[in-house]
Amino acid sequence: DAGITQSPRHKVTETGTPVTLRCHQTENHRYMYWYRQDPGHGLRLIHYSYGVKDTDKGEVSDGYSVSRSKTEDFLLTLESATSSQTSVYFCAISRWTGLNTGELFFGEGSRLTVL
Amino acid sequence: RKEVEQDPGPFNVPEGATVAFNCTYSNSASQSFFWYRQDCRKEPKLLMSVYSSGNEDGRFTAQLNRASQYISLLIRDSKLSDSATYLCVVGSSGSARQLTFGSGTQLTVLP
Repeated sequence: DAGITQSPRHKVTETGTPVTLRCHQTENHRYMYWYRQDPGHGLRLIHYSYGVKDTDKGEVSDGYSVSRSKTEDFLLTLESATSSQTSVYFCAISRWTGLNTGELFFGEGSRLTVL
Repeated sequence: RKEVEQDPGPFNVPEGATVAFNCTYSNSASQSFFWYRQDCRKEPKLLMSVYSSGNEDGRFTAQLNRASQYISLLIRDSKLSDSATYLCVVGSSGSARQLTFGSGTQLTVLP
């Protein structure tokens, strides 16, 4: 158990509404990530953070923003949700750096449906 | 062409069978390789890292073939509990930003 919790776990919202997903970790890890997972695609990186207030874009960042004001919390915001953002969102942390960075630990996921 | 490709399956095998999955990658500069397991509607969990010399963890054996640019996962003596989707992950540097996930291979072990 890597001490990662995501909230909400399930959400249904309407197109055009803002949505914020929260990822909370208890182990004080520096690196945190947001991924989305869709059928037929591997997990795709949305944004990541390498410290408080230090964030950067991933492969599919359009339409998403993030914030990290505390080490333990990494927030993902959809400013105006669209149906294409219906997905399962996973937060992850990495305990290691270097080539072992790929040893990620994931939260349980947040299932978002945009109608 | 996808950067990381896996046969989606499904692979349906009887208990006790040996099953092997391959995963091909397109970036010859890739440096790190992993297998993850994902149960239905659950989060991915690291199964094993893949080392150049190959590595084994109980019934699971992972191999890397750099010349042909693929990694493999062999599961011996399959158990019902091995039923899951297996994700191949390839990294081109020491940054998680450079990780590419395959879309997974679904395995069902039948009684």
